[in-house]
Amino acid sequence: DAGITQSPRHKVTETGTPVTLRCHQTENHRYMYWYRQDPGHGLRLIHYSYGVKDTDKGEVSDGYSVSRSKTEDFLLTLESATSSQTSVYFCAIRQPGQGVETQYFGPGTRLLVL
Amino acid sequence: AQKVTQAQTEISVVEKEDVTLDCVYETRDTTYYLFWYKQPPSGELVFLIRRNSFDEQNEISGRYSWNFQKSTSSFNFTITASQVVDSAVYFCAQETSGSRLTFGEGTQLTVNP
Repeated sequence: DAGITQSPRHKVTETGTPVTLRCHQTENHRYMYWYRQDPGHGLRLIHYSYGVKDTDKGEVSDGYSVSRSKTEDFLLTLESATSSQTSVYFCAIRQPGQGVETQYFGPGTRLLVL
Repeated sequence: AQKVTQAQTEISVVEKEDVTLDCVYETRDTTYYLFWYKQPPSGELVFLIRRNSFDEQNEISGRYSWNFQKSTSSFNFTITASQVVDSAVYFCAQETSGSRLTFGEGTQLTVNP
């Protein structure tokens, strides 16, 4: 258990509304990530963070913003949700283990944009 | 650019059969890391194994084994004597610069009783 929680776990929203997803970790890991999972695409990186207030874009960052004001929380915001952002969103942390670092994932958030 | 290809979209086997899931990666980096994750029907992502590019030793963990071959850029995963509980989507992934993961599209494995 990597101590990652995501909230909400399920959300239905309407096109054009803002949405914020929260990822919370309890073990002070430096790196945190947001991915989305869609059929036929596996998981794709949206944004990631390598420290408080240090973030960078991933492969599919358009339409998303992130913030990390404290170590334990990494927020993903959809400024104006679109139907193409209907997806399952996973947060991950990078954790040392057996001399190497590995990404471990939260339980996911299912987002439906109508 | 990094790319991971899992050519098998779906595989269906009968319990106790052996099954191999293929993974082919592309990279220009000399140092890289490869992973396998399992996603059971419940939806969570479970880490299975990590391999670095300097270690081509095959790995065995119980019924699971992994074959890493740099010559063919492959990192294949074999389940011996499959069980119904092995039914899941399996993802191969590669760690790129900046510690980002690039995933394959996944292979849906169904093990029938």
